[in-house]
Amino acid sequence: EVQLLESGGGLVQPGGSLRLSCAASGFTFSSYIMSWVRQAPGKGLEWVSAISGSGGSIYYADSGKVRFTISRDNSKNTLYLQMNSLRAEDTAVYYCAKVPSTLGGAAMDVWGQGTTVTVSS
Amino acid sequence: QSVLTQPPSVSAAPGQKVTISCSGSSSNIGNNYVSWYQQLPGTAPKLLIYDNNNRPSGIPDRFSGSKSGTSATLGITGLQTGDEADYYCGTWDSSLSAVVFGGGTKLTVL
Repeated sequence: EVQLLESGGGLVQPGGSLRLSCAASGFTFSSYIMSWVRQAPGKGLEWVSAISGSGGSIYYADSGKVRFTISRDNSKNTLYLQMNSLRAEDTAVYYCAKVPSTLGGAAMDVWGQGTTVTVSS
Repeated sequence: QSVLTQPPSVSAAPGQKVTISCSGSSSNIGNNYVSWYQQLPGTAPKLLIYDNNNRPSGIPDRFSGSKSGTSATLGITGLQTGDEADYYCGTWDSSLSAVVFGGGTKLTVL
């Protein structure tokens, strides 16, 4: 069964850091682009970042371009999102998602259950 | 303010048909494929339509997608109460070099 399982969310103070992980199973992880998408409470979906199968191509939304770093360890079938200098507006459920082809159509066919990040003092 | 514009809400009776629009520009919808997602309350989004009008396996043919110029449309026929959810369109924006989503549309099946 194809599955994505996020972890690493929690409560963090403004200015703090957090590293999210996404463990993949059931498919050849290294063959696929992977993405992070977040959803603030009561709000819509917001794309955060994406990384190619090899890790050689990386894309960020403007909201996280300086503060967030996406990476992957294909030997561990795991995707990461390092988030620094966190702000209250980063409070959201963070989902990892598998991209079946290219980012050109924004298609993401498998999603994790999400991990909640709360930035508050 | 989302790059793609969707109506905040739509409603229809069980068994009826509804359409949800998604409006963009030449830098996104006009030159890229569109996807549609369904998000049931408290759950992760689910891919309904990809590449404008293709359904992943397991998605019933009650769901359809189309694109014309810089707009896309999701159609749902034979509405069921279980279709009550938030629906999002998404695509790539070539100017932003980013994936963009619509603000979402809440479907109510009366």
